[in-house]
Amino acid sequence: EAGVAQSPRYKIIEKRQSVAFWCNPISGHATLYWYQQILGQGPKLLIQFQNNGVVDDSQLPKDRFSAERLKGVDSTLKIQPAKLEDSAVYLCASSLPASGRVNEQFFGPGTRLTVL
Amino acid sequence: QQPVQSPQAVILREGEDAVINCSSSKALYSVHWYRQKHGEAPIFLMILLKGGEQKGHDKISASFNEKKQQSSLYLTASQLSYSGTYFCGTEGAGNTGKLIFGQGTTLQVKP
Repeated sequence: EAGVAQSPRYKIIEKRQSVAFWCNPISGHATLYWYQQILGQGPKLLIQFQNNGVVDDSQLPKDRFSAERLKGVDSTLKIQPAKLEDSAVYLCASSLPASGRVNEQFFGPGTRLTVL
Repeated sequence: QQPVQSPQAVILREGEDAVINCSSSKALYSVHWYRQKHGEAPIFLMILLKGGEQKGHDKISASFNEKKQQSSLYLTASQLSYSGTYFCGTEGAGNTGKLIFGQGTTLQVKP
């Protein structure tokens, strides 16, 4: 079974530029998550999708971050404009259940973003 | 609302045991444990549901005390491969799948 795919793996940009990350979850996984992991900290949930609907985006800085999952499969996360404090690893994860069950989240390799 | 993990860091010799604790100030539905090696994605270890269950896998086990809102991860007879950062992720009431991760506990196992 293929794992969660993410691209690019690394990205270096100047502040105020824009950047986009792509994630393809495990086939059949209804739930998709985007996390931000700052060096030395635990992952912080940015947004959670159930199929192509948003379940939780309470910690997404909506003035600069946006995410979509148009066909309920792959997803993109965009930052525009980027700030220095956005430097982090952006992790995508997916899990199987549509609702009402507990299940493990499978993480992708992440995209390491450096904002200069 | 972020769970608190203790200790922050542990250094062990191969074969020694370790306990990592995770405490929350809120009622929990489940606790998830992950291990992350430097530069890699977190890897799932186990989930514990409310009800005070205990789970085990090989020499790694965990318990969940629902009343105290605490979970502990037990690593026995540690191996070099156990080195990494361990995170607990807590899920509150409502079973939404949303996890809040602790700050992590770094474990280093030396030969």
